[in-house]
Amino acid sequence: EAGVAQSPRYKIIEKRQSVAFWCNPISGHATLYWYQQILGQGPKLLIQFQNNGVVDDSQLPKDRFSAERLKGVDSTLKIQPAKLEDSAVYLCASSDLSGANYNEQFFGPGTRLTVL
Amino acid sequence: QKEVEQNSGPLSVPEGAIASLNCTYSDRGSQSFFWYRQYSGKSPELIMFIYSNGDKEDGRFTAQLNKASQYVSLLIRDSQPSDSATYLCAVKGGGSYIPTFGRGTSLIVHP
Repeated sequence: EAGVAQSPRYKIIEKRQSVAFWCNPISGHATLYWYQQILGQGPKLLIQFQNNGVVDDSQLPKDRFSAERLKGVDSTLKIQPAKLEDSAVYLCASSDLSGANYNEQFFGPGTRLTVL
Repeated sequence: QKEVEQNSGPLSVPEGAIASLNCTYSDRGSQSFFWYRQYSGKSPELIMFIYSNGDKEDGRFTAQLNKASQYVSLLIRDSQPSDSATYLCAVKGGGSYIPTFGRGTSLIVHP
């Protein structure tokens, strides 16, 4: 089966600019996650969707970050305006909450964002 | 605030040795525990998950869970240079699907 797709793979922007990332989860996976991974740290969950509803966005900096999953399939994460500290890899993951492997998350390749 | 602690390393072991990676967590309600491997510049991939106290073995990998002491460990037997990566521990609380990751331990297996 096809894995989690993300684009772009790399993005370089200047501070105060806007940027958007796209994710397409594994077909049939109801749950989609966006993580931020700063160099040398573990992934930090930004937002979790169940179908097109938000399960948790407590760690999403809502003054500048937004995310949507309108049709319960692919998702977009936006940063506006970007700050230097937003430089990180943004990982999208998906999981199927049914069956024995309901807890397993499958990660996409990530988008490496550099803010200058 | 849940915390998951890992020694950042690097942990260096010779080829063929046993590598032991440890993780402690703060939330006593945690129920699901995961080990991910992350090669440099790549995304995390799941190696093992464990729910019950005790050991769980899968090939060269063994996960050990001790809920009373709030730690989970990963043993890698017959370590290979290809095992060199960062190993991330992730924990989920009871009734919560929200995972908390540790910062990872860097493992280096030298020939």
